[in-house]
Amino acid sequence: QQQVKQSPQSLIVQKGGISIINCAYENTAFDYFPWYQQFPGKGPALLIAIRPDVSEKKEGRFTISFNKSAKQFSLHIMDSQPGDSATYFCAASDYTGFQKLVFGTGTRLLVSP
Amino acid sequence: DSGVTQTPKHLITATGQRVTLRCSPRSGDLSVYWYQQSLDQGLQFLIQYYNGEERAKGNILERFSAQQFPDLHSELNLSSLELGDSALYFCASSVARTGDLYEQFFGPGTRLTVL
Repeated sequence: QQQVKQSPQSLIVQKGGISIINCAYENTAFDYFPWYQQFPGKGPALLIAIRPDVSEKKEGRFTISFNKSAKQFSLHIMDSQPGDSATYFCAASDYTGFQKLVFGTGTRLLVSP
Repeated sequence: DSGVTQTPKHLITATGQRVTLRCSPRSGDLSVYWYQQSLDQGLQFLIQYYNGEERAKGNILERFSAQQFPDLHSELNLSSLELGDSALYFCASSVARTGDLYEQFFGPGTRLTVL
């Protein structure tokens, strides 16, 4: 019930292309869905987050799409750049859990020049 | 730079030993979270403290303990270390109070190697 499943495990995209990472959750109590970006040797950094009252949120080249009925959400990176090469984690939490985050397993993205 | 500091950056120790990891949250943040990142388990929530009090527990072993001091820095104590405890340990902080959702800012982590 606490799991967040993430796919793919790794992704190679050409510069300028669209990177898409998918996550699915089981716990219907989850109501906060952030995406974190992690570079080697660094801690995760919040990229963008969404609440289930909206189906999409866009910040610059990054968009979260959210499907509440399917219990799925995804990250789209438009015009992917080599500097976007990093590991991306989806996560989820609920109000009652004092914001403890349940993370997906991560997607290693490589954007080729 | 997130504003969260962790020391030490690297720690190498032997099985059976005890170590202490230290975290200083961002100025003004009252909540501290500890996470473990390993290759086989991914990023796992261990424990949360808010203003000195334990608020939530995750997959934290009984050999592990934590505390948050009056100056809001936190320490994670790992004892009777096993090979499987080798991992990256992250501290995160946020303003968060119960029922509020605030961004968690992660520190650079402490890489623990148990030999």
